[in-house]
Amino acid sequence: GAGVSQSPRYKVAKRGQDVALRCDPISGHVSLFWYQQALGQGPEFLTYFQNEAQLDKSGLPSDRFFAERPEGSVSTLKIQRTQQEDSAVYLCASSLTGGPYEQYFGPGTRLTVT
Amino acid sequence: SQKIEQNSEALNIQEGKTATLTCNYTNYSPAYLQWYRQDPGRGPVFLLLIRENEKEKRKERLKVTFDTTLKQSLFHITASQPADSATYLCALGWRIGSSNTGKLIFGQGTTLQVKP
Repeated sequence: GAGVSQSPRYKVAKRGQDVALRCDPISGHVSLFWYQQALGQGPEFLTYFQNEAQLDKSGLPSDRFFAERPEGSVSTLKIQRTQQEDSAVYLCASSLTGGPYEQYFGPGTRLTVT
Repeated sequence: SQKIEQNSEALNIQEGKTATLTCNYTNYSPAYLQWYRQDPGRGPVFLLLIRENEKEKRKERLKVTFDTTLKQSLFHITASQPADSATYLCALGWRIGSSNTGKLIFGQGTTLQVKP
């Protein structure tokens, strides 16, 4: 069956540009998570949705980061006025619901800000 | 401050041996702990979950222990194979009130290399 997909897989942005990263979770999965992974590090939590409700956005590094999931399925992570420190892999994961359930991760979007 | 630590150096072992990876944490009270495998250029893949009231879980060649007093989890791969070479991540999850949040906090990962 289809897993979590993310697009684009690679994105190069000039400093100051806005970017939008898309996540298609597994159909029927209620919970959706965004993580940021720097090279050689573990994923760092950014934000969490249950259906269309954003229940936790405590990990978003600044107000330049914005995430939405308007219909409770596809989600978009938007970064405004990108900075070099935003360069990382952005991972999306979905799970049946919140709680101690396995999270299914997408392949990630590698963002490079030049 | 809150911290999750995994072996920072890569672990190199011979095929057939048991690999043991460590995950230590401070200043957390997790409700559960998960282990994931990550290959280069890919997202993490779930391996095992263990809850705070469980001491040990097994799945095929994998075993995980969870000691909430020591604040430590050990992850074992028995009869290791070169195909087990990857980065292994531990992740903590916890409750807010009576609800599990689903939010995971990851360690930095340990790279395992199994030599034939």
